[in-house]
Amino acid sequence: EPEVTQTPSHQVTQMGQEVILHCVPISNHLYFYWYRQILGQKVEFLVSFYNNEISEKSEIFDDQFSVERPDGSNFTLKIRSTKLEDSAMYFCASRGEKGAGYTFGSGTRLTVV
Amino acid sequence: GESVGLHLPTLSVQEGDNSIINCAYSNSASDYFIWYKQESGKGPQFIIDIRSNMDKRQGQRVTVLLNKTVKHLSLQIAATQPGDSAVYFCAENGGTGRRALTFGSGTRLQVQP
Repeated sequence: EPEVTQTPSHQVTQMGQEVILHCVPISNHLYFYWYRQILGQKVEFLVSFYNNEISEKSEIFDDQFSVERPDGSNFTLKIRSTKLEDSAMYFCASRGEKGAGYTFGSGTRLTVV
Repeated sequence: GESVGLHLPTLSVQEGDNSIINCAYSNSASDYFIWYKQESGKGPQFIIDIRSNMDKRQGQRVTVLLNKTVKHLSLQIAATQPGDSAVYFCAENGGTGRRALTFGSGTRLQVQP
């Protein structure tokens, strides 16, 4: 079964450093998403991406965050200057035709120290 | 603001029993709902979805019921197995054209052997 692949599985970074989280969505999917989940809390939407541009973003997704689809397969989330409160699981998801189910990756655990 | 929430944080059942997990949503514009299962350290795994033009949908051992009048969603798991132990989230799309999912807080299902 097709999967959404995320790397690394765990990233530890110092406060103020930049991090890039990597995702390879399912190959024929058109819609891409980043969500995050702070430990013990619910999954929160960050940003959606379609047709090479951001289609929607949440209040969490401020100027410190950016997304890119640098080639036909990768979808990255960059946090420019990490804060302690950015520590969370970050999930990438993708979706095919409109209305189709969303498929999530296994996540990257980001720990900011 | 709009929210999706769950009535019970933890549900404990005996193996072989049926489980019912409930969810209330407040956004009357939502027209697409999904149940996800999340095991420890993993990403949300799609279980079943339903559109607002339906009130019931069945999968393998799972049934989702939608009551739009009271904005209530439930997930029924038949013959619950130890492998069903996980946190279950409902999610909704907030209406046609939205691309982001809003997740509920999650219910932990514990299956006793």
